[in-house]
Amino acid sequence: DAGVIQSPRHEVTEMGQEVTLRCKLISGHNSLFWYRQTMMRGLELLIYFNNNVPIDDSGMPEDRFSAKMPNASFSTLKIQPSEPRDSAVYFCASRDRVRALNEKLFFGSGTQLSVL
Amino acid sequence: SQQGEEDPQALSIQEGENATMNCSYKTSINNLQWYRQNSGRGLVHLILIRSNEREKHSGRLRVTLDTSKKSSSLLITASRAADTASYFCATDAGGSNYKLTFGKGTLLTVNP
Repeated sequence: DAGVIQSPRHEVTEMGQEVTLRCKLISGHNSLFWYRQTMMRGLELLIYFNNNVPIDDSGMPEDRFSAKMPNASFSTLKIQPSEPRDSAVYFCASRDRVRALNEKLFFGSGTQLSVL
Repeated sequence: SQQGEEDPQALSIQEGENATMNCSYKTSINNLQWYRQNSGRGLVHLILIRSNEREKHSGRLRVTLDTSKKSSSLLITASRAADTASYFCATDAGGSNYKLTFGKGTLLTVNP
């Protein structure tokens, strides 16, 4: 199993540009989480999907952020327009929720986003 | 807001010594998990302890949980240079069956 796969690994863009981050879940997992990590705020949960349905998006900072899960194995996080304060490492993580509640998360390697 | 807070923020030890990291949290939990993050990588799950457990072992890792004090500790015995990483505790924020909230982590440096 290749694990959770995120792309791109690094993204440098200019303020105002659209950014799309991608995530492929582990096969068989049915829960997906997007987290953002910064030095100041640590790891923040942005949005949680279960069975492709967004369950909790209360952590999405603004309307500039949107996330989709078009199928059971793939998700995107889009920022439009991007701002310098969006610079952070964005992680997605998946979990097999069927097996047990509160089971461990499997993280991707993250996307380092720099907005200039 | 942070549910879990690790202490200390940074810890530097010599290879072979034991490392102890602590985590405090605010609300009741169903379980508490510890994760490790190497520089530039994603988090990796280490161990999970449920609210009705007091201690758990996995290899060189020992985790304790004191629900009355709302605290947990992670002990790494006989540390190695390869243990150098950030360590995070994560809790399910009282009643939530999905929302894991992470602390800001302890940066452990093991000097060879």
